[in-house]
Amino acid sequence: KQEVTQIPAALSVPEGENLVLNCSFTDSAIYNLQWFRQDPGKGLTSLLLIQSSQREQTSGRLNASLDKSSGRSTLYIAASQPGDSATYLCAVRRAGGFKTIFGAGTRLFVKA
Amino acid sequence: DTAVSQTPKYLVTQMGNDKSIKCEQNLGHDTMYWYKQDSKKFLKIMFSYNNKELIINETVPNRFSPKSPDKAHLNLHINSLELGDSAVYFCASSPQQGDNEKLFFGSGTQLSVL
Repeated sequence: KQEVTQIPAALSVPEGENLVLNCSFTDSAIYNLQWFRQDPGKGLTSLLLIQSSQREQTSGRLNASLDKSSGRSTLYIAASQPGDSATYLCAVRRAGGFKTIFGAGTRLFVKA
Repeated sequence: DTAVSQTPKYLVTQMGNDKSIKCEQNLGHDTMYWYKQDSKKFLKIMFSYNNKELIINETVPNRFSPKSPDKAHLNLHINSLELGDSAVYFCASSPQQGDNEKLFFGSGTQLSVL
């Protein structure tokens, strides 16, 4: 059974800092891994999707890496801004199935 | 234009009532989902339909019944609502079953059962 864990559960940083959010999963047989952002009272927005054959994806100040063998992914946010404050969720879609399993998220607060 | 839209945004109702949440996507996607986010913010899949056919049916009470009249719509009907059904329900869609499947979410329906 696939389990997805995110560490830390919450993070508060001053503006301008580079930061790393961690995600680990128990079953390495995955189709893809996605990072999402959720703002309070809103739905989820997909930030980055890494296919099982890829090792990283980049979009602007965001970089996500994937290491299937160790069951880990990181989301790197460069030069953080107050507008980055949100909950970031990692989600894994397992191979051979249709389900996407979510972690509990990391709540990020970037102080101005 | 909202890609995945669900209504209502808020739903407050009494225990024992029956209610429906509607979802529509205008992205031309083949697959739609219902997720439940509980008070601890854990997101769990409930159902998934691909081209109007049920492909995922998690361990959900049979008081919950999804209905997909066409591939652009997936509605959720809940009978005999209970206090524990209070949560935020998210509809989502994705373009295809494959490596590059991205999930697109609606803004959620906050259900409060009194």
